[in-house]
Amino acid sequence: DAMVIQNPRYQVTQFGKPVTLSCSQTLNHNVMYWYQQKSSQAPKLLFHYYDKDFNNEADTPDNFQSRRPNTSFCFLDIRSPGLGDAAMYLCATSRDRRSGLAGGTDTQYFGPGTRLTVL
Amino acid sequence: AQSVSQHNHHVILSEAASLELGCNYSYGGTVNLFWYVQYPGQHLQLLLKYFSGDPLVKGIKGFEAEFIKSKFSFNLRKPSVQWSDTAEYFCAVISGGSYIPTFGRGTSLIVHP
Repeated sequence: DAMVIQNPRYQVTQFGKPVTLSCSQTLNHNVMYWYQQKSSQAPKLLFHYYDKDFNNEADTPDNFQSRRPNTSFCFLDIRSPGLGDAAMYLCATSRDRRSGLAGGTDTQYFGPGTRLTVL
Repeated sequence: AQSVSQHNHHVILSEAASLELGCNYSYGGTVNLFWYVQYPGQHLQLLLKYFSGDPLVKGIKGFEAEFIKSKFSFNLRKPSVQWSDTAEYFCAVISGGSYIPTFGRGTSLIVHP
């Protein structure tokens, strides 16, 4: 059963044309993350939501935005994609171990990723 | 800030060879440690984790890892690899009161049949 779903799996866009990637989860986890992963590199955290609270990494460009309308869904908006933004974008979820919620382990569950190509 | 080092970037083995992938971290306080695996064309998934207790942790598919606090290490081992172990392996560390992991850059393992 799919637990973290990302759509689309492949996205092709033109330079400067806005794009939105989506992520949904069936785990009821309170934390959702967006990572950028380039070939042979570690996933780079862009931002995350802790419940409704948005947490941006200091080095995430303003070009990247996110929305979390409810617990299950999270979106990544790239306002003006550049060639350097071509990458795999990973969504992940976790349940904070400190929250006292059942099943909280901080283990991250990843989606399959969306591969973004910028022409 | 926490940093995680995986010194072996590319490892090539023959089937039945033994495997050890290194992982070292910098933060000296309380840590939670993870190994994630990414098989070709698949998503990242948990291989094993350490929170507390026995420093020798056993995971799926015959993998194990040992937490050595004095060496700031959490090396991954498997006594006999299989072709199906070909994948990218990532070590990740959560430090102190955080819930966000710091990932190493990954090790690409290729196992020849």
